[in-house]
Amino acid sequence: GAVVSQHPSWVICKSGTSVKIECRSLDFQATTMFWYRQFPKQSLMLMATSNEGSKATYEQGVEKDKFLINHASLTLSTLTVTSAHPEDSSFYICSASLRDGSSYEQYFGPGTRLTVT
Amino acid sequence: KQEVTQIPAALSVPEGENLVLNCSFTDSAIYNLQWFRQDPGKGLTSLLLIQSSQREQTSGRLNASLDKSSGRSTLYIAASQPGDSATYLCAKVMNRDDKIIFGKGTRLHILP
Repeated sequence: GAVVSQHPSWVICKSGTSVKIECRSLDFQATTMFWYRQFPKQSLMLMATSNEGSKATYEQGVEKDKFLINHASLTLSTLTVTSAHPEDSSFYICSASLRDGSSYEQYFGPGTRLTVT
Repeated sequence: KQEVTQIPAALSVPEGENLVLNCSFTDSAIYNLQWFRQDPGKGLTSLLLIQSSQREQTSGRLNASLDKSSGRSTLYIAASQPGDSATYLCAKVMNRDDKIIFGKGTRLHILP
């Protein structure tokens, strides 16, 4: 089956530093990847849609200068949280879309837990 | 605005019971609907995906149905087990290549 990995699985950083999270589709090429954020006991909220080779599309209220997304290849997208603050502490999950003929499905990574101290 | 609503928000039932989780969505336009399971602190596990042309999907003790006209989907869990305890998320894709819209989930606790 289609597998999506994320690295790191968890990270602790100091306020003001930047953190990069990688999302990889391991056994398929994904032209589109999505980044979500999940606060405790809440559902996933889409942050941005990332297409290979083009700029990401951010959802309303998401600061594009703070959450930098790079989708340099068909198997890798990165999310960089710049100048992180404690309120950025959250669970970040990526997904990668796979088109197979007429079907379309998103496959999710295991998530990255970010704690900003 | 597209919305996905899940009822109930939380549910506790004794082991062995059959149960139904409900999901409703605005706008009958739908490409597919998917049910996920999420354990605390973990990522998502896809349970069932129903294409817009389908009415239901089954996997083991799980059965998911889709009624586009009423904007509803249900997840039926038969003979519940303590290992079924988790949060169940309903998610809708309106168009192919489109983003997924998640409900807030139902937190299920199966009592041994």
